Amino acid sequence: EVQVLESGGGLVEWGGSLRLSCAASGFTFSSYAMNWVRQAPGKGLEWVSDINGRGDETYYADSVKGRFTISRDNSKSTLFLQMNSLRAEDTAVYYCAKRRKDGYNSDLEYWGRGTLVTVSS
Amino acid sequence: DIQLTQSPSFLSASVGDRVIITCRASQDIYSFLAWYQQKPGKAPKVLIYAASTLQSGVPSRFSGGGSGTEFTLTISNLQPEDFATYYCQQLKIYPLTFGGGTKVEIK
Repeated sequence: EVQVLESGGGLVEWGGSLRLSCAASGFTFSSYAMNWVRQAPGKGLEWVSDINGRGDETYYADSVKGRFTISRDNSKSTLFLQMNSLRAEDTAVYYCAKRRKDGYNSDLEYWGRGTLVTVSS
Repeated sequence: DIQLTQSPSFLSASVGDRVIITCRASQDIYSFLAWYQQKPGKAPKVLIYAASTLQSGVPSRFSGGGSGTEFTLTISNLQPEDFATYYCQQLKIYPLTFGGGTKVEIK
């Protein structure tokens, strides 16, 4: 059974840093692209970042570019999101999601339950 | 960036109704579109991918259509468990944008 489980959320001060993790199981982790998607309280979904299976191609939303870094450790089947210079508008539930394929154009087939990040001003 | 406009943003419907949600893209995205359902406090789940392919395990009353810039999600014979918020997402070009969502509520 495919599972992805986020951790690392919490309360952080404005300008601070946080590192999210996503532990994956039930599939060959290195064969699939992975994403982070967030949802601010009461708002819609916002795509954050994407990384391919090898970890050598990454993409970011303009709202986080230069502040967030996506990475992965395929030996541990774990995805990361390093978040720096956090702002109030980064407050959201952050979801880890597995793409259906490694490569372009595939949807987000499996999602974790999410981890809440709250940035206090 | 590709903008996705969903309509309506809110709809009220009754059990047994047929509802249609539209997603318009600001440029041609071929068939690189997915639909997700999200219930309160839960993670989204994919219903339709590649514009019209039904995800395994999703009831056949859900169907997707369209290509290019106009897409639809149709729910036939609306069931109580279908009351939720629905999002479209384009997968053609980064950033992989979502539509604003359509909340389906019980009339």
